Amino acid sequence: QKEVEQNSGPLSVPEGAIASLNCTYSDRGSQSFFWYRQYSGKSPELIMFIYSNGDKEDGRFTAQLNKASQYVSLLIRDSQPSDSATYLCAVNKFSGGYNKLIFGAGTRLAVHP
Amino acid sequence: DADVTQTPRNRITKTGKRIMLECSQTKGHDRMYWYRQDPGLGLRLIYYSFDVKDINKGEISDGYSVSRQAQAKFSLSLESAIPNQTALYFCATSDPYWGTSATDTQYFGPGTRLTVL
Repeated sequence: QKEVEQNSGPLSVPEGAIASLNCTYSDRGSQSFFWYRQYSGKSPELIMFIYSNGDKEDGRFTAQLNKASQYVSLLIRDSQPSDSATYLCAVNKFSGGYNKLIFGAGTRLAVHP
Repeated sequence: DADVTQTPRNRITKTGKRIMLECSQTKGHDRMYWYRQDPGLGLRLIYYSFDVKDINKGEISDGYSVSRQAQAKFSLSLESAIPNQTALYFCATSDPYWGTSATDTQYFGPGTRLTVL
């Protein structure tokens, strides 16, 4: 079992719809959860992070965290073609005395006009 | 100017050659990281450094070495490049949020595309 799992996609949604991206993780001790967006051939850009159960909203983006179910999601409202990218979920892991980020392989989102 | 820069941006080399990838940052962060990205595998940590005197292996350090020349500079070397080291390499920096490790946002450089023939 991978430490951070994401459906590779592609997830295809029409313009204006809500895109829902999901991520599960295996380490119950994880405290911080990150969503990055990565356009093809470019570097990951931070969208937002969340560390408390519940929802966190930032503009069109909402991160949802459920630690009991070890599940974190990202909702994108009013999806635009410019949102088409790969979305990486990352989870912190404390190991060997250090805190590190473990990344999922990413979900590719395609928003069509 | 970009906060995290990487040089070169693209490199093609031959098997057995020594290669150095360089990373510089102006963010003032103590923590720096090297990742590689392969299709379908996501980002995998090669090495990380929490300050100039603290360097640690990540999950895939074999075949790689690093040098932290200063707070702002972190270099990755491939001592003898092999074709399966062909990948996209990213440098990242971070600064713990609120002084803890629990929330430690990482910021990425533009990447170096390395091809080993």
